[in-house]
Amino acid sequence: AQSVTQLGSHVSVSEGALVLLRCNYSSSVPPYLFWYVQYPNQGLQLLLKYTSAATLVKGINGFEAEFKKSETSFHLTKPSAHMSDAAEYFCAVENNTDKLIFGTGTRLQVFP
Amino acid sequence: KAGVTQTPRYLIKTRGQQVTLSCSPISGHRSVSWYQQTPGQGLQFLFEYFSETQRNKGNFPGRFSGRQFSNSRSEMNVSTLELGDSALYLCASSLDPSGGARNEQFFGPGTRLTVL
Repeated sequence: AQSVTQLGSHVSVSEGALVLLRCNYSSSVPPYLFWYVQYPNQGLQLLLKYTSAATLVKGINGFEAEFKKSETSFHLTKPSAHMSDAAEYFCAVENNTDKLIFGTGTRLQVFP
Repeated sequence: KAGVTQTPRYLIKTRGQQVTLSCSPISGHRSVSWYQQTPGQGLQFLFEYFSETQRNKGNFPGRFSGRQFSNSRSEMNVSTLELGDSALYLCASSLDPSGGARNEQFFGPGTRLTVL
């Protein structure tokens, strides 16, 4: 069965610092992987998705993620954090019945 | 193009009551999925509808049900509410229920249900 694990329920960075949010997946088949962002009192917005076309995926708002099969990882990064990046981030994998299985989320805080 | 809309945005009910939540997908989207989000359990899949048929179902009791209409609008119903049903209920729509690149789901803002 497919699953994702997000390491770290809270991550704090200073404005301008590198953002690294970790996601490891478990899948018996080549996975489809997603990162979503949720701002307070809002639904989820797709940041980026991996569908096997390229291992480095660029998304919106300057975020990108690299699919590493050898490490079963799909970590989300952004070179320079902005105050507006403060939100909760969810990694998700699509299982073999086309359902999205979400991680437990990582809350990103950005300090000035 | 309008996004996914959910009504109502906030709802307060008491234990034992029932509730109906509504979701209008993006125009042209035929697949609607429902998720429950709680601090303890995170985001959990409830069910998915496509062409008025339930296509997938998560591990929730039978008190949770849904349906989809011919215009793709969907409703979910929770009967005999329990305190633990307090959650943010999110609806997501997609063009095509098939997997992979076509399965980009667009989420609504959610309905926050509080059960007292």
